[in-house]
Amino acid sequence: QQPVQSPQAVILREGEDAVINCSSSKALYSVHWYRQKHGEAPVFLMILLKGGEQKGHEKISASFNEKKQQSSLYLTASQLSYSGTYFCGTEMPGGYQKVTFGIGTKLQVIP
Amino acid sequence: NAGVTQTPKFRILKIGQSMTLQCAQDMNHNYMYWYRQDPGMGLKLIYYSVGAGITDKGEVPNGYNVSRSTTEDFPLRLELAAPSQTSVYFCASRPGQGRENQPQHFGDGTRLSIL
Repeated sequence: QQPVQSPQAVILREGEDAVINCSSSKALYSVHWYRQKHGEAPVFLMILLKGGEQKGHEKISASFNEKKQQSSLYLTASQLSYSGTYFCGTEMPGGYQKVTFGIGTKLQVIP
Repeated sequence: NAGVTQTPKFRILKIGQSMTLQCAQDMNHNYMYWYRQDPGMGLKLIYYSVGAGITDKGEVPNGYNVSRSTTEDFPLRLELAAPSQTSVYFCASRPGQGRENQPQHFGDGTRLSIL
């Protein structure tokens, strides 16, 4: 079951904040967040394993609401280097660590 | 550590030809995956493996085959290539059961065009 991401695209000015949402119609075991630059492989940001868990480093953090079957990625005080496409990947309970990705959110940070 | 190595990086095939995309990892990971990514789209799971000799279908397995004879290698075979298989193919690996907090490690991808 492919997770649904929103918004599909967003343009920010440097220093602005953004939230990217990821939701599933099925119960989730974990949520993975990756960022991909054009022509490159996805780069791991974080995994959230438990409901309500929040993780983050520097100005990028994420939360996981197990009851609502959704996760949100928070980017604060955005930098030009944050530009790229953000993917959430979801893993179902007992799913052999099979990760299914959403279609991505394209984020562009402009000066 | 090389991580996940994919070869070739680029390839052009004619319709009907066959080829094998190679993927090797040196991290002793049990779980390995093949994804395809069409332009402007997300990653679609083709096949995955939880260990040597064990493979299973993902979301879009038609037109592909895999094998896993060793822990390190997970080749993807395209038989009778079709234009719809033009895509970027990513291989990934992950440690396995008991290490669920570990992410997938991706290779650099193989860009495949079928003309």
